[in-house]
Amino acid sequence: KNEVEQSPQNLTAQEGEFITINCSYSVGISALHWLQQHPGGGIVSLFMLSSGKKKHGRLIATINIQEKHSSLHITASHPRDSAVYICAVRGGSEKLVFGKGTKLTVNP
Amino acid sequence: GAGVSQSPSNKVTEKGKDVELRCDPISGHTALYWYRQSLGQGLEFLIYFQGNSAPDKSGLPSDRFSAERTGGSVSTLTIQRTQQEDSAVYLCASSLVGVETEAFFGQGTRLTVV
Repeated sequence: KNEVEQSPQNLTAQEGEFITINCSYSVGISALHWLQQHPGGGIVSLFMLSSGKKKHGRLIATINIQEKHSSLHITASHPRDSAVYICAVRGGSEKLVFGKGTKLTVNP
Repeated sequence: GAGVSQSPSNKVTEKGKDVELRCDPISGHTALYWYRQSLGQGLEFLIYFQGNSAPDKSGLPSDRFSAERTGGSVSTLTIQRTQQEDSAVYLCASSLVGVETEAFFGQGTRLTVV
């Protein structure tokens, strides 16, 4: 079993829909990251969380430390949100452990 | 520079040849990471440098892989006697040190071993 599990693996939505991507992890962590990877490979850091909730524009990330679970929400989704969203956790060492990613496609 | 810079962006090499991949981190970032993303797979940790400390090499898949970081800045990842299974995108990231520090990624080097 991977230390970081994401669901769903693939997600297709219509423009305007509310989207949720989930991440569960099995180890104690110091921080959790949500990353966005566009076609072509570039990775952008969206959020880093150690507790609670963060919001940036249409993106919201939450984390429940007790339940070892985080969610990434996208409100009013747009085709430009189409990308792979990756959850990564930082445990006892500095290295990040990654989920396999969720491929999001938003159709116009 | 403004971001993490990697070169080359693409590299095609023959099986058995050595390759060197370069990473220029963001100025002032003391932490530098190399990751690998094979086709259809998630990101995999390779090696981590932090300041003058001994690097964490626990992710290197074999002794054909090595990395250096000179002067606490530029890093090179060297793969000797490349094999087809080495084909992947190699990503470099840098950050400041601390629990709540953001990692900044380069665009990656796509390595194809033929």
